Amino acid sequence: AQSVTQLDSQVPVFEEAPVELRCNYSSSVSVYLFWYVQYPNQGLQLLLKYLSGSTLVESINGFEAEFNKSQTSFHLRKPSVHISDTAEYFCAVSVRGTGFQKLVFGTGTRLLVSP
Amino acid sequence: AAGVIQSPRHLIKEKRETATLKCYPIPRHDTVYWYQQGPGQDPQFLISFYEKMQSDKGSIPDRFSAQQFSDYHSELNMSSLELGDSALYFCASSLPGRGYNEQFFGPGTRLTVL
Repeated sequence: AQSVTQLDSQVPVFEEAPVELRCNYSSSVSVYLFWYVQYPNQGLQLLLKYLSGSTLVESINGFEAEFNKSQTSFHLRKPSVHISDTAEYFCAVSVRGTGFQKLVFGTGTRLLVSP
Repeated sequence: AAGVIQSPRHLIKEKRETATLKCYPIPRHDTVYWYQQGPGQDPQFLISFYEKMQSDKGSIPDRFSAQQFSDYHSELNMSSLELGDSALYFCASSLPGRGYNEQFFGPGTRLTVL
């Protein structure tokens, strides 16, 4: 079975400061890795994903995440956050290559960006 | 571009009542997933369908049932509702095929059980 651990339930940060949201996973098989973002009272949006290839993946709005196989981690980073980045961020995994890939989510990290 | 449609968006029910949630996937998507997100919790996988057959099952209570119809829309039926069923229910759809298929999420149905 797969599991995802997000150690930080809430991360407060000032605008324009850097941020890192931590994610560690456990799985006996190869997995795909994802970060989803959920704005207040909205659905889940895919922020970025790691499928294969380069271990550093980037999103269009400045977030990046690095897959570290030895540490089984997929931490999310942004060098300078904006007020609009305030949201809940979920790390998730799915089993590689099965075709029916249910997502297993972590418990989420609430990013609070203040002026 | 067309997105996943869920109806209703909000639903209020009394304990022991029944509820039906509907999900209309993106055109050409034949795989549907249902997730339940309790207040302040992470989304939990309930059940999925591929080509109208159940493809996987998660932590779905026996009081719940679901199916996928010939037009690929799916319905989640919930009976004998309990207070703990109050949650946001997401539906996601994806294209068929092996390997990675991105799941596109709908806006969710917020169910409140009083």
